[in-house]
Amino acid sequence: AQSVTQLGSHVSVSEGALVLLRCNYSSSVPPYLFWYVQYPNQGLQLLLKYTTGATLVKGINGFEAEFKKSETSFHLTKPSAHMSDAAEYFCAVKAGNNRKLIWGLGTSLAVNP
Amino acid sequence: EPEVTQTPSHQVTQMGQEVILRCVPISNHLYFYWYRQILGQKVEFLVSFYNNEISEKSEIFDDQFSVERPDGSNFTLKIRSTKLEDSAMYFCASCRDDYGYTFGSGTRLTVV
Repeated sequence: AQSVTQLGSHVSVSEGALVLLRCNYSSSVPPYLFWYVQYPNQGLQLLLKYTTGATLVKGINGFEAEFKKSETSFHLTKPSAHMSDAAEYFCAVKAGNNRKLIWGLGTSLAVNP
Repeated sequence: EPEVTQTPSHQVTQMGQEVILRCVPISNHLYFYWYRQILGQKVEFLVSFYNNEISEKSEIFDDQFSVERPDGSNFTLKIRSTKLEDSAMYFCASCRDDYGYTFGSGTRLTVV
């Protein structure tokens, strides 16, 4: 069975600082990996996804993530945090023929001025 | 950019009442999903729908739940007799292929 672990339910950074949100997954087959962002009182917006090919994927709003098979990780980074990045971030995995997404618990990102 | 539309955005209902949550997926998408997110908990898969039938459902999706695509555009989730623990944000999603999921903005259901 697939699972997703997001380390750190709350992360706080200063504006302009590096953002690092951690995601580890478990899957017995090659996974498809996703990061979604949820702004307050809004829906789930896709930030980026990894399916096949290049392991470093770039998404919207300056975010990127690297798929590391050996570490079963898909950490999300952004070089310089902006106040508007404050939101809830979810990592999810889809594996094999099973079309459903398995979600992490989410990480709440706060950006301090 | 095409969107998945969900209505209503908020629904308050009394325990035991039936509710229908509505979704309009993206028109050329083939796979449809309902997920829910109880406050403070992770997003959970409820059901997937393809070719006019349920393709997979979770243990949460018991006999109180049903889905329908009545007219080729709407995709509905019905809860027959709501319980307090059904209070959650319900998300509809659709995709055309294996990884192009698009989510709606959600319906916040409050059962009182």
